[in-house]
Amino acid sequence: AQRVTQPEKLLSVFKGAPVELKCNYSYSGSPELFWYVQYSRQRLQLLLRHISRESIKGFTADLNKGETSFHLKKPFAQEEDSAMYYCALNSGGYQKVTFGIGTKLQVIP
Amino acid sequence: DVKVTQSSRYLVKRTGEKVFLECVQDMDHENMFWYRQDPGLGLRLIYFSYDVKMKEKGDIPEGYSVSREKKERFSLILESASTNQTSMYLCASVLPGTGGYGYTFGSGTRLTVV
Repeated sequence: AQRVTQPEKLLSVFKGAPVELKCNYSYSGSPELFWYVQYSRQRLQLLLRHISRESIKGFTADLNKGETSFHLKKPFAQEEDSAMYYCALNSGGYQKVTFGIGTKLQVIP
Repeated sequence: DVKVTQSSRYLVKRTGEKVFLECVQDMDHENMFWYRQDPGLGLRLIYFSYDVKMKEKGDIPEGYSVSREKKERFSLILESASTNQTSMYLCASVLPGTGGYGYTFGSGTRLTVV
């Protein structure tokens, strides 16, 4: 069965410090991985996907199949990055997605 | 620009009531999903539908049912609401074969069962 693990429920960093939100997955097939973000009082939205290898709002994430990880990184945190972040795994048929429990990122001014 | 609309932002219902949560999307997506979002538990899949009148159970279907009579509308039904169904409910949709582009979510319905 597929599983997504986000080990930290809360991550607090100072403005300007590097950010790394951890995500590990368990899946026997070829994974499609995503990061979703939910800002306060806003709907959940896609942040980035591993297949695009893009940087969104300064965030990047690299799929490491050997370590089964998909950590989200940003070199310099901004206050507007404070939000709830979910790692998600698309496990095949019907695009059924499994989500992690989420990590709340708090950027301290 | 809103593409997935959930009809109610907040609902308060009594224990034992039958509750309907409505979701409409205007993107002609085949696949639609209902999740519940709880602190410390993340998002858990209740039911999903991959076509009109087609439905599949997710990870936590107990106490819920769904209806998909039209492509654009996917309803979640709580047959007899209980206090442990107090939660935020999220609807999402995606085109089949484009899962790589991710879901589009509604703004959520916060249901309180008293």
